[in-house]
Parts: sequence; structure tokens; C-alpha cells
Amino acid sequence: GENVEQHPSTLSVQEGDSAVIKCTYSDSASNYFPWYKQELGKRPQLIIDIRSNVGEKKDQRIAVTLNKTAKHFSLHITETQPEDSAVYFCAASRRDTGRRALTFGSGTRLQVQP
Amino acid sequence: DGGITQSPKYLFRKEGQNVTLSCEQNLNHDAMYWYRQDPGQGLRLIYYSQIVNDFQKGDIAEGYSVSREKKESFPLTVTSAQKNPTAFYLCASSGRETGELFFGEGSRLTVL
Repeated sequence: GENVEQHPSTLSVQEGDSAVIKCTYSDSASNYFPWYKQELGKRPQLIIDIRSNVGEKKDQRIAVTLNKTAKHFSLHITETQPEDSAVYFCAASRRDTGRRALTFGSGTRLQVQP
Repeated sequence: DGGITQSPKYLFRKEGQNVTLSCEQNLNHDAMYWYRQDPGQGLRLIYYSQIVNDFQKGDIAEGYSVSREKKESFPLTVTSAQKNPTAFYLCASSGRETGELFFGEGSRLTVL
């Protein structure tokens, strides 16, 4: 089955700096890679996703890159703000056949220092 | 008001007792999921169902059971066979078009 590894487990940055979180996956058939943000005491929510036919996707201060050959994908947050502080999870799955349930990474706790 | 409702939010049980966690959605989603969240381990898949009357084991199904008799409902039973049941349990659903998971607020189970 799929295995997703995520690094780092914790990340502390100064407000305004950039943050990068990296994930690797094992199943070359995976073709859907979302990122979820979980604020303290709240449910995880989708912030951005990318499919395997695309190498990069941006949404304002957030971007995700995908390298299918190396089987890794990354989340980039620019101009970080205190409200970006949360736990971020990467995930992977197939969207066409077989098991379509997401396999999540272990999470990265991001702390943005004002 | 559309969404996913989990109940109860907090649950305490003695060892050896089965407990059932409720999950109801009114989003008309075909697929529903149960994840377990432990500190430092992310979200681990327990069971999932892609259609009514069908469900599949996830990565940590031992000691758990589910049913999917209605599209809206996907209850999870934590049996006495689950060796370490104290955890935070999240239910989610997704539609066919996007695959985005919509999560409930979670149920925190503590076994005393």
C-alpha cells in the first residue's frame, strides 16, 4: 500500500519568512496530492491540492510542487503570518481505480513567530 | 446547514466495553471514511466506504467494525479487541468530483 513520509515534524519561522514542508510517497500509481491544515482544536481543512498531470499549482501565498519521478511533493508558504500557525498534513491517493482513500503523512506543526 | 456531524464529542468507557461512534452527513457524498488521530502519527485510515452496503478495511482496521446501511450514515464500533482505543477519531466524506475530504469535528474516546 501507499506510504507517505513528511518532514519536518516541527517548523518555526519568523513572520514574513517562507516555510517549506516536504513529503515523499511510495506508490507510483498515486495521482492526487492534497494538503490539509488543522488549526488547534479544529477539524482538518483542504488548503490546496495537485494532480499528477501538473507540476506546480499556486493559490495566493501557497504553492505546491510535484516531482513524479522522485515521488515527492512540497508545500511552500510565502510571507507567513501568525494565522498560518497550525498542523499541516500532506496526503496521497489514486483518483481512478483501486483504493481511493487518502494516506496521510505524520504532520508538520508550523509556528509563525510575530 | 450542510456538513458532517459526529457524536458524541467526548466519550469515556471502561476497558472491555464496546463503543459506537456516530457519523452522519447531509452532503450527498458517496464515500465516507474513519481516521484515527494520535499525536505525531498523523491521520491513519481505519475503514472506508465508497458506496452504500460496501466498505473496505484501511491500514489499522483490527479491533474496529463499521456498517454502511444508509448513504448518510457510517457508524464506527470500537470493540474490546482494540488494544489501544484511547484516541481522537475523525469521520470524513467526499464527493466523486473533487475528492476533497470534509471532516467532522471528531470524537475523543478515553478508555479508563
